[in-house]
Amino acid sequence: SYELTQPPSVSVSPGQTASFTCSGDKLGDKYTSWYQQKPGQSPVLVIYQDSERPSGIPERFSGSNSGNTATLTISGTQATDEADYYCQAWDRTTSVVFGGGTKLAVL
Amino acid sequence: QVQLQESGPGLVKPSETLSLTCTVSGGSISSYYWSWIRQPPGKGLEWIGYIYYSGSTNYNPSLKSRVTISVDTSKNQFSLELSSVTAADTAVYYCARVEIKFGGVPGGRAVWFDPWGQGTLVTVSS
Repeated sequence: SYELTQPPSVSVSPGQTASFTCSGDKLGDKYTSWYQQKPGQSPVLVIYQDSERPSGIPERFSGSNSGNTATLTISGTQATDEADYYCQAWDRTTSVVFGGGTKLAVL
Repeated sequence: QVQLQESGPGLVKPSETLSLTCTVSGGSISSYYWSWIRQPPGKGLEWIGYIYYSGSTNYNPSLKSRVTISVDTSKNQFSLELSSVTAADTAVYYCARVEIKFGGVPGGRAVWFDPWGQGTLVTVSS
């Protein structure tokens, strides 16, 4: 079955750039989406089709995908960005798969 | 805009069937795919399956033998049944609208979930 791997945690200072990686076999050949989940809330879509932002999502959220790694980047990170971030892709064997999630700490 | 609301029992006994309904408001259930996703307490997200408004389904292979997702277009609702539940099925269950775009490598597709319902906690316990 297909798997997506994310580091458990990322920490960043306010105003700096936070990067989240999501790894999977030939992930660059697939489309990746990213979700933000704050404590006690439902997940919110922040990136789809590797690099597209839904309406209402700030421009400081961006995404890329190449090789075996997809990356979500938050520029000018704010305290309100503290959350768990999940990547997700579709594979013909597993259908929909989520990564294990990365917790962002803004210190 | 479209809103989703999950409903159903918060407590289910082991070996019984978990049943949840998602009501879609602010838009029609037609012409879209709809999905169930769950999250055990303190853990990550697990996709359960999705259904097209016409009734065609796609399930997580690891849950396929126990899952049934159905749709009622007249009520703008879709439902989840998960049979033979155990404590491992205790989770917050979310419903979500699915977008699917075909492309990329042959047979590939982009799939994403937006929006999501608020989620409902289902506990499996006697």
